[in-house]
Amino acid sequence: RKEVEQDPGPFNVPEGATVAFNCTYSNSASQSFFWYRQDCRKEPKLLMSVYSSGNEDGRFTAQLNRASQYISLLIRDSKLSDSATYLCVVNILPGFKTIFGAGTRLFVKA
Amino acid sequence: EPEVTQTPSHQVTQMGQEVILRCVPISNHLYFYWYRQILGQKVEFLVSFYNNEISEKSEIFDDQFSVERPDGSNFTLKIRSTKLEDSAMYFCASSESLAWTDTQYFGPGTRLTVL
Repeated sequence: RKEVEQDPGPFNVPEGATVAFNCTYSNSASQSFFWYRQDCRKEPKLLMSVYSSGNEDGRFTAQLNRASQYISLLIRDSKLSDSATYLCVVNILPGFKTIFGAGTRLFVKA
Repeated sequence: EPEVTQTPSHQVTQMGQEVILRCVPISNHLYFYWYRQILGQKVEFLVSFYNNEISEKSEIFDDQFSVERPDGSNFTLKIRSTKLEDSAMYFCASSESLAWTDTQYFGPGTRLTVL
């Protein structure tokens, strides 16, 4: 089983749509969780951290379920500029190791 | 806004040669990282570095690789005897402290092409 697994995508949605991304992780020692976005041939950029209580940042909502080892990202009112690859990222202790999912590609169309 | 910088942006080398990729982390950051991303594949953790020591390394980070902080600002990744399969984008990242909860900021990457 992959350490971090994401929906394979791609997702093709119209502007204004709501889209949800799912992610599961296999290592119960996972300590912290993030969503990053990556534009084509660019570096990953932090979108948001994911907290146990769930958190929201504008149109973006992240949820974490530790019991199910599941993370989600919801994007409301999609914009053309949201088109990117969304990466689920997990930090594992002890030591310090960061594991990236393979990413889910999102295309938002006018 | 402070940012992580990397040089060169693109490095072309012959198989068997040594390359050094350079990074300047954000100045008050204490944790440093290297990742690689083979074209079309996921970002892979290579190594984390703190207090002039490797904190953690992945299975990829074998004896061919080494990291160093030669001065107060640079953080380097050396790849000895490069192979074709080392061709990838290499990203440096840094974080302020308490790395497992803190945001990692990524540099723009160095594209390494091994011929």
